[in-house]
Order: sequence, then C-alpha cells, then structure tokens
Amino acid sequence: DAGVTQSPTHLIKTRGQQVTLRCSPKSGHDTVSWYQQALGQGPQFIFQYYEEEERQRGNFPDRFSGHQFPNYSSELNVNALLLGDSALYLCASSFGTGNTEAFFGQGTRLTVV
Amino acid sequence: AQKVTQAQTEISVVEKEDVTLDCVYETRDTTYYLFWYKQPPSGELVFLIRRNSFDEQNEISGRYSWNFQKSTSSFNFTITASQVVDSAVYFCALSEAARDDKIIFGKGTRLHILP
Repeated sequence: DAGVTQSPTHLIKTRGQQVTLRCSPKSGHDTVSWYQQALGQGPQFIFQYYEEEERQRGNFPDRFSGHQFPNYSSELNVNALLLGDSALYLCASSFGTGNTEAFFGQGTRLTVV
Repeated sequence: AQKVTQAQTEISVVEKEDVTLDCVYETRDTTYYLFWYKQPPSGELVFLIRRNSFDEQNEISGRYSWNFQKSTSSFNFTITASQVVDSAVYFCALSEAARDDKIIFGKGTRLHILP
C-alpha cells in the first residue's frame, strides 16, 4: 500500500518563475492538505482540498493556488516565486473532513535562486 | 489564539539516557487534538501519536511515553533508553478539530543521540 507520494523531490527555480508540485494521497484517502516548512521551522498550513474544492486556507497569498483532481491527487502552484518561497513543501492526506489523522509525504524541497 | 511552544530548540544526550521533550499549547477550544511527529533527515513527517483533549491518560508505546496534563496545557514526550536512531527533529502539534482540520506545529526540537 503506497503512502503519500510527492514529486519532484527537489526543484530549483529562478525568482519570478512559476512552479507546480504534485501529490498523490494514500490509498483510500480523499482529502489533501499542503504545508510549507521553512528551514528550522515547523510546517505551516497552506490549504486543504476536498471534493476538488479548496476547503480551508491558511495565511498565504493568492500566489499560492491548488487543484484537486477526480482521482484525489493534488497540485500546488506557486506563481511569481520569491526567494522566501524556498522551503520544504509537504503534502498530507486523510479521509474525509474533520479527521486529523493525516499521513505526510516526504516533501518537495524547492529552492528559489 | 492557537499556539504550540517547544522551548527546547536542540538537545543532545548520550545513548541509553532518557530524554524528555517539552510541549506547551494554547487553545480556546475544549475539543482539540495533540500530536507528536518525528522528522528524520529524509524530511518525511512520521506520525507518533494523536491524543484528544478528553483523554488525559498517559500513554506508553515501547520506549516512548507521553504525559498529557490539561491543567498546565502540556503534552510532553519521553524517550527511554535512547538510541542513535532516535536522532531527528520532533514536532508537537495541535488541531482544533471542531474548528477546522489544519494542524498547527511547534518549531520543533532537534534531538541528537550521541553514541
């Protein structure tokens, strides 16, 4: 049983560019949440997708957007990249809403130069 | 406001020693969940435990134990007879489940187990 998988594992982008990160949830899970973890910090909630809709959003600008597909996989898009967007981006999956039993992927390390 | 504080930024102990990681939380809700996650160098967050706010029983799982005290808003984690493989960053986290699903993390404690 595959857990949460994220791609790519590492990515280097130039300031101002756009990036798309991908996440496949654990089998049987239908809810995907995205977190940003800056170096030396704890993860911070970006947003959550359920039934292909953004259900909750943290304190992140509109440059951060997402999508969930009918197969429950999800993408995180970041436009107009800033140096401060450099971080580990973690995807977590769970079943339904109101369920905090989330499983995390290994993350995508994004470096903006 | 929701907040998780892990005052210990970094701890080093010699293998086989016991070590306790502290966690203090703030929440206005009466219904919430507390978590501990382990993050090895690979980056993946490994779930260790989830405790709901109505269950104050301490829990032991092998060498791991957790002490939940609502009176002091603390949820401390103890590793007994530490091993080098326990070296990682440990995060305490909070979710106010009645409000939303997001998990609020502390800044983490980096634990070094020295051989």
